[in-house]
Amino acid sequence: QVQLQESGPGLVKPSETLSLTCTVSGGSISSYYWTWIRQSPGKGLEWIGYIYYSGSTDYNPSLKSRVTISVDTSKNQFSLKLNSVTAADTAVYYCARGGGMTWYYFDYWGQGTLVTVSS
Amino acid sequence: QLVLTQSPSASASLGASVKLTCTLSSEHSNYAIAWHQQRPGKGPRYLMKFNSDGSHSKGDGIPDRFSGSNSGAERYLTISSLQSEDEADYYCQTWGTGIVVFGGGTKLTVL
Repeated sequence: QVQLQESGPGLVKPSETLSLTCTVSGGSISSYYWTWIRQSPGKGLEWIGYIYYSGSTDYNPSLKSRVTISVDTSKNQFSLKLNSVTAADTAVYYCARGGGMTWYYFDYWGQGTLVTVSS
Repeated sequence: QLVLTQSPSASASLGASVKLTCTLSSEHSNYAIAWHQQRPGKGPRYLMKFNSDGSHSKGDGIPDRFSGSNSGAERYLTISSLQSEDEADYYCQTWGTGIVVFGGGTKLTVL
């Protein structure tokens, strides 16, 4: 059974960079797309972007200028960086696997990690 | 614009059936969707991908009590023989060129 676990700081200061890592266990990161999604009370579920195990990426146009997703296949991990954060970036952040080896729906999700942006 | 609309809440009695609705924007009425369940305090769980031709693929371990159907731009998730553990938020989700969209979710209360 594939499991995903998010990790990273729970508190980030405004204007700084949010950094999270997702560790995949129970399966290889290879041959799949891997995604970050966030959930805030004001905006519901929001797709952030994906990375293919080979390194190709695509991002939500609304966040594209601030987002970088990277992958480390040797560690079975992928990561999210979101720069110049504001209070509007406060959310629970989830990592997920692309279902059916696609990028556009998600068959395994992590439990999520709350990131609060505050000074 | 690609939009999914869900009723904010629904309720049904233990052991009964409930049908949740997700409506696609009219110009996207033939799009496939996915359904996800989110129990309180948990991450979402994939239920199924549902295509406009009625074909679907369920997630691992999803019981037969969960089924999908459609009519025009509407996509339905039917849960039969409701159990207390089915009390959760249910989200539909779809995709377009370079974008993924989620519905606002339906909070299901099992009475």
